[in-house]
Amino acid sequence: GQQVMQIPQYQHVQEGEDFTTYCNSSTTLSNIQWYKQRPGGHPVFLIQLVKSGEVKKQKRLTFQFGEAKKNSSLHITATQTTDVGTYFCLSNTGKLIFGQGTTLQVKP
Amino acid sequence: GAGVSQSPSNKVTEKGKDVELRCDPISGHTALYWYRQSLGQGLEFLIYFQGNSAPDKSGLPSDRFSAERTGGSVSTLTIQRTQQEDSAVYLCASSPTWTGYGYTFGSGTRLTVV
Repeated sequence: GQQVMQIPQYQHVQEGEDFTTYCNSSTTLSNIQWYKQRPGGHPVFLIQLVKSGEVKKQKRLTFQFGEAKKNSSLHITATQTTDVGTYFCLSNTGKLIFGQGTTLQVKP
Repeated sequence: GAGVSQSPSNKVTEKGKDVELRCDPISGHTALYWYRQSLGQGLEFLIYFQGNSAPDKSGLPSDRFSAERTGGSVSTLTIQRTQQEDSAVYLCASSPTWTGYGYTFGSGTRLTVV
């Protein structure tokens, strides 16, 4: 069945450094969504990417969808302590397939 | 309501007892999902309801788990004869038929089996 692999599993950065998490699928995705889960919280929707090669920005966050629609990335520029949490990618084929998540720790 | 409501927020039960977890999705959302998340782990798909279609139960880990969705709205996840490995946060999410707006998650039910 379809799988979405997400790396890295954990990332520790100094405040102000950049951060990137990657999702790779074994099959072509119709779309991909990204979610953030704060410690002790529940996943919160960030964005959806649909088009091949699509790039979307939300302030310091940049989301990309690969040309082949098999991979995606989330990049955070100049991390802040408020960015702490676990970031999940999600593909929807009827059944929602989540990546394993990347947990970001930011040292002030 | 404005969001996805789950109850109870916390449940402690003895091994072997049955539990019922409730999810009240956003009004009008046709899709409803149940997931569970063990401590420090990712999200494990359990079951998916879409409108009046037969639910996708392929993620249920054993026949002790079952779920219903009455009237296309409220859903109940039932775990019979609970085991310690059932301890986790059970999350419900809903969305409208159309995509692009993401899935709205409830705050979850933290189940502890002692």
